[in-house]
Amino acid sequence: AQTVTQSQPEMSVQEAETVTLSCTYDTSESNYYLFWYKQPPSRQMILVIRQEAYKQQNATENRFSVNFQKAAKSFSLKISDSQLGDTAMYFCAFMKGAQKLVFGQGTRLTINP
Amino acid sequence: GAGVSQSPRYKVAKRGQDVALRCDPISGHVSLFWYQQALGQGPEFLTYFQNEAQLDKSGLPSDRFFAERPEGSVSTLKIQRTQQEDSAVYLCASSPRSDYHYEQYFGPGTRLTVT
Repeated sequence: AQTVTQSQPEMSVQEAETVTLSCTYDTSESNYYLFWYKQPPSRQMILVIRQEAYKQQNATENRFSVNFQKAAKSFSLKISDSQLGDTAMYFCAFMKGAQKLVFGQGTRLTINP
Repeated sequence: GAGVSQSPRYKVAKRGQDVALRCDPISGHVSLFWYQQALGQGPEFLTYFQNEAQLDKSGLPSDRFFAERPEGSVSTLKIQRTQQEDSAVYLCASSPRSDYHYEQYFGPGTRLTVT
């Protein structure tokens, strides 16, 4: 079974700083997808970024980028120029093919003014 | 267009009551997932539908949990004889594809509190 581990329960940074959230996963599969989801207090899960395992290039979406290390099974999220609106729970998730998402425990990120 | 909607947003039930939670997926989406999110935890998979067929129910925690999607659109998650450990947020997600579900769109969830 696949597992996803987020070792940072909480993080806090000042506005405009850069922050990196860590995620490791365990799988024997060779092709899969990795995701970072944001969950603000409204509870709506919002997709931040997605990475396909067979693509070596790290995905980027505006201020959000990932560092995908397939051999190390590591998938960290970097948020540049952090904004107050980035305050939320962040979940790392794994998916293979036509199966369900497997989520980590989450990291609570607070951006301070 | 409209996103995934869920109702009710909040539900308080006395222990032993039955509850029904509704999910309206994005129109035309083939696949539908239910997840359970306990307080302070990540969501955990409950069940998956492709159209009206329930293809995976391996995550349902007990036979008190039942889900259906009779016409391949709206889905209902029913919990019979609720217990305190059923208190959680129940998230629904839909996907336009039947093969790869890398585009899952989530609803706002239903927060169930069992007293």
